Amino acid sequence: EIVLTQSPGTLSLSPGERATLSCRASQSLSNNYLAWYQQKPGQAPRVLIYSASTRGNGIPDRFSGSGSGTDFTLTISRLKPEDFAVYYCQQYGNSPPYTFGQGTKLEIK
Amino acid sequence: QVTLQESGPVLVKPTETLTLTCTVSGFSLSDPMVGVSWIRQPPGKALHWLAHIFSSDERSYNTSLRSRLTISKDTSKSQVVLTMTNMDPVDTGTYYCARISRIAYDNDHWGQGTLVTVSS
Repeated sequence: EIVLTQSPGTLSLSPGERATLSCRASQSLSNNYLAWYQQKPGQAPRVLIYSASTRGNGIPDRFSGSGSGTDFTLTISRLKPEDFAVYYCQQYGNSPPYTFGQGTKLEIK
Repeated sequence: QVTLQESGPVLVKPTETLTLTCTVSGFSLSDPMVGVSWIRQPPGKALHWLAHIFSSDERSYNTSLRSRLTISKDTSKSQVVLTMTNMDPVDTGTYYCARISRIAYDNDHWGQGTLVTVSS
């Protein structure tokens, strides 16, 4: 089973600042099927990034994804108030289970 | 417009079997490029992938829950059904269905989720 470890667990920043979230896989994702999701309280998650670096439909360009193999990063270039939420990464490697990370909570400082 | 809607019981007793239905619209379950996933989230905790199914009837299950899970689909009704046997209080949580794209294996549309509580 591929374990995804997200860091930090909680990130405290102010609007306008840059956020860098990490997702590390216990095994290499040779297909780079790594997605990032944003979840706000009481809502379903929504996809931000798929295939490690491709923005989902309608996702603002302040969100970007990078990485390959075992190390992946989600960057939010200039935080807006609506970006404060919990972020999850998920991998679709070669075999199930297709695990999620434990999440990073992005909170207002 | 793609939508997914979960339905099922809000309360089940320990040892009972949970049956959840995901009714989809805006796409067809016969489309070879998409499928449906089930994902759950215990209160205050992280997302947990359970299973998925594609049009070809290709199914995958979370290995730790494989003996308890069954996923199936009725294409004519646009429904995907998940059953989970021998429910336990630790299975309490919000259960989501989501469309999965074969292009990049991301869950690009989600239902709003249904909260299931396991209690006697």
